Amino acid sequence: NAGVTQTPKFQVLKTGQSMTLQCAQDMNHNSMYWYRQDPGMGLRLIYYSASEGTTDKGEVPNGYNVSRLNKREFSLRLESAAPSQTSVYFCAGRTSSGSDEQYFGPGTRLTVT
Amino acid sequence: GESVGLHLPTLSVQEGDNSIINCAYSNSASDYFIWYKQESGKGPQFIIDIRSNMDKRQGQRVTVLLNKTVKHLSLQIAATQPGDSAVYFCAERNTGGFKTIFGAGTRLFVKA
Repeated sequence: NAGVTQTPKFQVLKTGQSMTLQCAQDMNHNSMYWYRQDPGMGLRLIYYSASEGTTDKGEVPNGYNVSRLNKREFSLRLESAAPSQTSVYFCAGRTSSGSDEQYFGPGTRLTVT
Repeated sequence: GESVGLHLPTLSVQEGDNSIINCAYSNSASDYFIWYKQESGKGPQFIIDIRSNMDKRQGQRVTVLLNKTVKHLSLQIAATQPGDSAVYFCAERNTGGFKTIFGAGTRLFVKA
């Protein structure tokens, strides 16, 4: 049982490059989330997927796209990276059981130069 | 806009003492509150939650208090240990909703 996994752990991009951050969970989570965390700040929701086949914008969706490929996988894509997207990205999953116990992945540290 | 905030960004306590981390929330529609712990280099980890129909909930060495009158949330850690050193986030959402709003966090230092 690996929990919530993210790849890659670290990435450096040049401005304008694109990349996809991968997230997978084996905890049977119905909903999945992508957050970004900037230094000294809390987490801000980028996109979420309430269930397989649905995605919705969060607080800071501009510059990102997501795909809920199946129940296990939820990817985040940066089409044209900008320095303002330098951050640590966390994926999380949650079962719809009434608790808000989100299980987080270890994070991807992204630097855009 | 609506926000979840913290009174103190840093808290330093002696090992063995009790710690109290405070949080203010402004969205009166929120009815579910959560505390997360984040250790360096890791993702946040759920600690304890409380619903708005309660004012106190206890876990193992942790207690969460909710004061809806003044929109205040606190996390109490008993007999603080070095392993408790981390950043603590309070968070809020509406039951049935999918958007959790996180506060900025409080860093807890435990002195040996």
